[in-house]
Amino acid sequence: DGGITQSPKYLFRKEGQNVTLSCEQNLNHDAMYWYRQDPGQGLRLIYYSQIVNDFQKGDIAEGYSVSREKKESFPLTVTSAQKNPTAFYLCASSFLAEAFFGQGTRLTVV
Amino acid sequence: QQQVKQSPQSLIVQKGGISIINCAYENTAFDYFPWYQQFPGKGPALLIAIRPDVSEKKEGRFTISFNKSAKQSSLHIMDSQPGDSATYFCAASMIYNQGGKLIFGQGTELSVKP
Repeated sequence: DGGITQSPKYLFRKEGQNVTLSCEQNLNHDAMYWYRQDPGQGLRLIYYSQIVNDFQKGDIAEGYSVSREKKESFPLTVTSAQKNPTAFYLCASSFLAEAFFGQGTRLTVV
Repeated sequence: QQQVKQSPQSLIVQKGGISIINCAYENTAFDYFPWYQQFPGKGPALLIAIRPDVSEKKEGRFTISFNKSAKQSSLHIMDSQPGDSATYFCAASMIYNQGGKLIFGQGTELSVKP
């Protein structure tokens, strides 16, 4: 099956810990994105990458980091510097602007 | 600055009625306007998309209308069904600029009552 795979589906983090969210795609898309979703706020762009080994900050990049070492993979690390990390995180890839989303990772700080 | 403004925030429609969601765009450079449908706990899925040189696009019960001069778009869901209950997002991007990254509206939570 072609698509975007995010893992894990649910993730619990203790305060002060870094966690990494996985995103893999087999659609052969160059561009990949990370969005954060909070109730009533839509989807806000964290980071995006148009090509391997290159990425740009989105609107809310503070407290997050990414890497793009392979075309298929775009992991997101939520660092301890992110003060309010509890949210639903969505990864997407796109050809031109037609984006396909994964099923999301729900991160909860405990 | 909010570049894509969506309304209403929530909408309740009776089964068989018409659901209408509106979107306004601040940036005249946008050249691609998709609408996404999201069910609880799932990722958004592309519903229908339109380019600025097209004023209307229809796919089944779903129709997008686009007014380039007013920088506005609307999604109409005809004969709304309970299975249409979901959150709908409008979005915009510049296909050949900024990597085609999508800017989303705040979303509209649609509830269709049987």
